[in-house]
Amino acid sequence: GQNIDQPTEMTATEGAIVQINCTYQTSGFNGLFWYQQHAGEAPTFLSYNVLDGLEEKGRFSSFLSRSKGYSYLLLKELQMKDSASYLCAVRDNYGGSQGNLIFGKGTKLSVKP
Amino acid sequence: EAQVTQNPRYLITVTGKKLTVTCSQNMNHEYMSWYRQDPGLGLRQIYYSMNVEVTDKGDVPEGYKVSRKEKRNFPLILESPSPNQTSLYFCASSSPGQFSAEQYFGPGTRLTVT
Repeated sequence: GQNIDQPTEMTATEGAIVQINCTYQTSGFNGLFWYQQHAGEAPTFLSYNVLDGLEEKGRFSSFLSRSKGYSYLLLKELQMKDSASYLCAVRDNYGGSQGNLIFGKGTKLSVKP
Repeated sequence: EAQVTQNPRYLITVTGKKLTVTCSQNMNHEYMSWYRQDPGLGLRQIYYSMNVEVTDKGDVPEGYKVSRKEKRNFPLILESPSPNQTSLYFCASSSPGQFSAEQYFGPGTRLTVT
């Protein structure tokens, strides 16, 4: 079956570093995405990993291990505006459905002063 | 400006009254998709389309219809809405031929069915 797991909620302090983990079991794998979603708004793209390793983009980094079915999103120098839900999504390639994303339920991050 | 637009943004309706939520993208994307988002359940795919006249069911298609007559538009139709279709709906599009082919999301449509 298709399953993506991530913690439901996390809390961190402004200026700190937080790591949000995601594990997945999917029938196919054609890349892993992280999206940020503020309450009531649309998800916005943060990062994409298709090969093992770390991708860094400013304060945000994302890591992938395909053999372990594992990814994490690392947020550095946390700011209050980083309070949002973070969605892990895997693009499958099952049945030729190129482009389909399977989403985890999201991790709600609260940043405290 | 590259974007995905949805209309209406908010809708309150009654059980059984047919409605259509429109979705349009100006990025010439082949792939379009509809999701619903409910508390504790995350984003779930309703229908998707790989290109014009090509549509397929996602994980939760019951009670919904779609059509893709033009590349830019992908309307979601609820023929006989029921209260369990009260949700936040997102349309998204992408271009599978691009490297990451991330999906771009519309602003969302909050639907309440009474």
